[in-house]
Amino acid sequence: NAGVTQTPKFQVLKTGQSMTLQCAQDMNHNSMYWYRQDPGMGLRLIYYSASEGTTDKGEVPNGYNVSRLNKREFSLRLESAAPSQTSVYFCASSEMLGQARSGANVLTFGAGSRLTVL
Amino acid sequence: GIQVEQSPPDLILQEGANSTLRCNFSDSVNNLQWFHQNPWGQLINLFYIPSGTKQNGRLSATTVATERYSLLYISSSQTTDSGVYFCAGNAGNNRKLIWGLGTSLAVNP
Repeated sequence: NAGVTQTPKFQVLKTGQSMTLQCAQDMNHNSMYWYRQDPGMGLRLIYYSASEGTTDKGEVPNGYNVSRLNKREFSLRLESAAPSQTSVYFCASSEMLGQARSGANVLTFGAGSRLTVL
Repeated sequence: GIQVEQSPPDLILQEGANSTLRCNFSDSVNNLQWFHQNPWGQLINLFYIPSGTKQNGRLSATTVATERYSLLYISSSQTTDSGVYFCAGNAGNNRKLIWGLGTSLAVNP
């Protein structure tokens, strides 16, 4: 059981280049999330998808786009990378979002993707 | 906005010591969760603890939702406990999790 798989694990980009981070989960979860983690700032939500076919902005959506391709897959795209987007990115999933039945919003995380923008 | 404060921000222990990590919310909290991020970056859910107390081996957690705080107890710490511990929960009517900044724990042999 793979859980949440995200690729690539490492990527170096030049300013202005584009790239897509891929995420897939095999737990039949409805909700998926993209976070970024920067030193001293904890985890910040970029975008989330409460269910297949829906996406919503989180705390720090500027410079990113997402696609919920199907129930399993949720991708994060940087159209024109900037040095401020240097970070570690985490994909996560949960059975449901928010104030759902007990335990349904427990998160499972992928291993993370370290992105450096020069 | 709703604030989540974790204390202490940093902690150094000798192997075998016990510790208590705290998570305070500025508003009522639901669905509180504790996570451990190991030194290689992997984030693992330790507890889903909306209220009451749960135990898993050497770790236990207690949430008092009416008092807006949760505690994570680590007993007989081991070097593998090192890493960062985060708490997160739904505060008020917010459906998205709100995260603390974490407690960084180093357990020395």
